[in-house]
Amino acid sequence: ETGVTQTPRHLVMGMTNKKSLKCEQHLGHNAMYWYKQSAKKPLELMFVYNFKEQTENNSVPSRFSPECPNSSHLFLHLHTLQPEDSALYLCASSLAGPSYEQYFGPGTRLTVT
Amino acid sequence: AQSVTQPDIHITVSEGASLELRCNYSYGATPYLFWYVQSPGQGLQLLLKYFSGDTLVQGIKGFEAEFKRSQSSFNLRKPSVHWSDAAEYFCAVGAPADKLSFGAGTTVTVRA
Repeated sequence: ETGVTQTPRHLVMGMTNKKSLKCEQHLGHNAMYWYKQSAKKPLELMFVYNFKEQTENNSVPSRFSPECPNSSHLFLHLHTLQPEDSALYLCASSLAGPSYEQYFGPGTRLTVT
Repeated sequence: AQSVTQPDIHITVSEGASLELRCNYSYGATPYLFWYVQSPGQGLQLLLKYFSGDTLVQGIKGFEAEFKRSQSSFNLRKPSVHWSDAAEYFCAVGAPADKLSFGAGTTVTVRA
């Protein structure tokens, strides 16, 4: 595998389910990000991890819980979601620091029913 | 905090014609500027970036962008568009010790 991979690519879940999104980067980066992409809206940064430590939580509801066990893996645990949480969730990685370009995974298309 | 505006929501261009996508940013100092492209069902791919130096930046897939400080702009151009350039394009601005801010995107449709 190369670049940034995300699994699953598509996920349909009910509002009472618990599921997790997985992201893995094979680029030797030390910063990882979760973004939410909704139709016709700018990308919304959700979380940032630098060297496994969370450095940014952009006022994300607690029903989204990130986990970064090491610099190569990032998870987003989901529980009790709402229909408005349906979106494309993108993972990205970079060298630590905002001036470095971010490399994105293909995203997970989440539908909450 | 910095911000980005992409004034054009949707642009249609004929194959072989030139393309220019506009990006205006708001930031007090020299920002870091990026253009990304997103094909349907895919993540974002970096086209090019500007940090400093030459204000005309060359990227992948034949794209270039010009940084104009006086106009707070970083417009993306391609001299001759191919059908495979149909996608959504995002401008982003970053700053030291701050996160990237993305524009809302411009959708490009290429007609034969």
